[in-house]
Amino acid sequence: QKEVEQDPGPLSVPEGAIVSLNCTYSNSAFQYFMWYRQYSRKGPELLMYTYSSGNKEDGRFTAQVDKSSKYISLFIRDSQPSDSATYLCAMLHGSGNTGKLIFGQGTTLQVKP
Amino acid sequence: DAGVIQSPRHEVTEMGQEVTLRCKPISGHNSLFWYRQTMMRGLELLIYFNNNVPIDDSGMPEDRFSAKMPNASFSTLKIQPSEPRDSAVYFCASTRTGGFNGYTFGSGTRLTVV
Repeated sequence: QKEVEQDPGPLSVPEGAIVSLNCTYSNSAFQYFMWYRQYSRKGPELLMYTYSSGNKEDGRFTAQVDKSSKYISLFIRDSQPSDSATYLCAMLHGSGNTGKLIFGQGTTLQVKP
Repeated sequence: DAGVIQSPRHEVTEMGQEVTLRCKPISGHNSLFWYRQTMMRGLELLIYFNNNVPIDDSGMPEDRFSAKMPNASFSTLKIQPSEPRDSAVYFCASTRTGGFNGYTFGSGTRLTVV
């Protein structure tokens, strides 16, 4: 079993839809939870991160962490064609704030105009 | 800030040849990571360094893979001899310890071994 599980999709939605992306994990030691966005033929870029449990909002994006269920989510409101990319969840494995960043498989999202 | 710089962007080589991938981390970042990305396995951590010292190389698939970080501004990942199954996109990332700063990725090197 992988430490981080993510449905690879692909996920196709119409412009303006609310998108929900999810990951589950097995290691209760994870403390930092991140979402990266990766455009085609580019490196992943950090979108948002959350420390421990709770919600975090940044514009149209909301990240949620439920440590009791070992489940994290990313919501995108009013999705735009420019949001079309692969979204990777990632979790920090190790003490402090530097260590092995473990990624999910990534979910490919297409937002159709 | 030029970001994490990787070279070359693309590499095509024949099986059995030596391949060297290069990475320049962001100035001031003291942790550096090498990842490999494939469709089948996603992003896998190969090795990471902290203050130029290798901390965890458990992800290095075989002895054919080696990585060095001779100074704070340069790292290499070498594959010798290369095999077709090594074909993937190799990413380098860096971060700074002392508070969470995220990990910044380079644009990757797309390696094709024929």
